[in-house]
Amino acid sequence: NAGVMQNPRHLVRRRGQEARLRCSPMKGHSHVYWYRQLPEEGLKFMVYLQKENIIDESGMPKERFSAEFPKEGPSILRIQQVVRGDSAAYFCASSPLPDVGPEQFFGPGTRLTVL
Amino acid sequence: ELKVEQNPLFLSMQEGKNYTIYCNYSTTSDRLYWYRQDPGKSLESLFVLLSNGAVKQEGRLMASLDTKARLSTLHITAAVHDLSATYFCAVYGNKLVFGAGTILRVKS
Repeated sequence: NAGVMQNPRHLVRRRGQEARLRCSPMKGHSHVYWYRQLPEEGLKFMVYLQKENIIDESGMPKERFSAEFPKEGPSILRIQQVVRGDSAAYFCASSPLPDVGPEQFFGPGTRLTVL
Repeated sequence: ELKVEQNPLFLSMQEGKNYTIYCNYSTTSDRLYWYRQDPGKSLESLFVLLSNGAVKQEGRLMASLDTKARLSTLHITAAVHDLSATYFCAVYGNKLVFGAGTILRVKS
C-alpha cells in the first residue's frame, strides 16, 4: 500500500506565477489535509477536504489560495500570483476517518521556492 | 482556540544522558501525537496517545499524556546520535495543531 504521494517534490516559481501542488492520499483514505511549514517553524493547518467538499478552510489565506479534492484524481492546492512569502514546505496528510482517533499520515512534502 | 507549546525549543544533549521534552496545550483534548522530522524530510509518526495516563515506549523514547494537566512529555533515555532531529507534538481539537518543535542535537 503506497503512502501519501505528493508532487512535485520541489517547485520553483517566479513572483506572479501560479503554483499547483498535488496530493494523492493513501488507498482507502478519503480525508485530505494540507499544512504549510515555514522555515524553522511547526506545521500550520490550512485546509481539510473530503471528496468534492471543503470541510474546514479556516487556515487558508483569504486570497490567492484555493484547494480542491475532486471525485477522481488527486487533491490540488493552488496558489495564484505567488509571492516570496509563499516559499515554504507544503505537506499533505490523509486519514481514513475524520474524528475517531486515527492519526494522519503525511506525504513527503512539496518545497516551494519563489524567486 | 487551541494552542500548543513545546519546550525547550532547542536541546543539546550529551550521549548517554536522559532528557525530557514538554508539550502543553490550552484546551481539552484526548488525542496527542508525537512526530519526528529529519532535515528536509517529512514527518515520521512516533506515538499516538489517546487517553489520560497513556504511556507508550519505543526504544529510547517514552511518551506520556496527562489530559487533566494538558501535558505530554517525551522522555529520552541514554541519548544517542541517531536521535538528532526535530520533534513535534500535535494536539487534535477540531483540527491538528502543532507545537513549534524541539530541535534535538546529540553531542558525542
